[in-house]
Amino acid sequence: EIVMTQSPATLSVSLGERATLSCRASQSVSSNLAWYQQKPGQAPRLLIYGASTRATGIPARFSGSGSGTEFTLTISSLQSEDFAVYSCQQYNNWPRTFGQGTKLEIK
Amino acid sequence: QLVESGGGLVQPGGSLRLSCAASGFTLSAYSMHWVRQAPGKGLQYVSAISYGGGSTYYADSVEGRFTISRDNSKNTLYLQMGSLRLEDMAVYFCARVGINSAFDMWGQGTMVTVSS
Repeated sequence: EIVMTQSPATLSVSLGERATLSCRASQSVSSNLAWYQQKPGQAPRLLIYGASTRATGIPARFSGSGSGTEFTLTISSLQSEDFAVYSCQQYNNWPRTFGQGTKLEIK
Repeated sequence: QLVESGGGLVQPGGSLRLSCAASGFTLSAYSMHWVRQAPGKGLQYVSAISYGGGSTYYADSVEGRFTISRDNSKNTLYLQMGSLRLEDMAVYFCARVGINSAFDMWGQGTMVTVSS
């Protein structure tokens, strides 16, 4: 099973600032990597797939990069609605494993 | 949209069947998955089924105890859970696999509580 490790566990950032979240895979997943946003009491929402492609309706301030084992989600200018938990997921191998999540909080 | 139901309180060793009703799209065109989230924890993969139902996959932690199935005529996905354990307690989400292979639609989740 591929282990997905996210860092940091919690990230404190001010409104309008940039946030950079990391995700590392225990072995290569090529570009088969997705990012999800989840707010309390809600279902996850797909943000990024294919490591760098924004899903439908996702604002341009969200961007993804990386391939192989190292991936990054960047939010260029944080808005109040962006504070949530972000999870990465690989869909290159079975099972489709998730990272443990990064909680993005207001500084 | 996807709407889960069937969650509730069950004793250890008990059984429960979850349902996931799809609307606004044709379920038979998509592979579907179940993902769970224990209180305060991250997302954990549970099971998958191909669009026609001919192929299934289970996480090791539920293999032999859970069964995924679908009734495309009813646009509904199911998860039959048996021999439930305390560690199965979680919110269970159904999710659709999009053409991009990521999970592009999720239900709101249904809570399964395992307690004596």
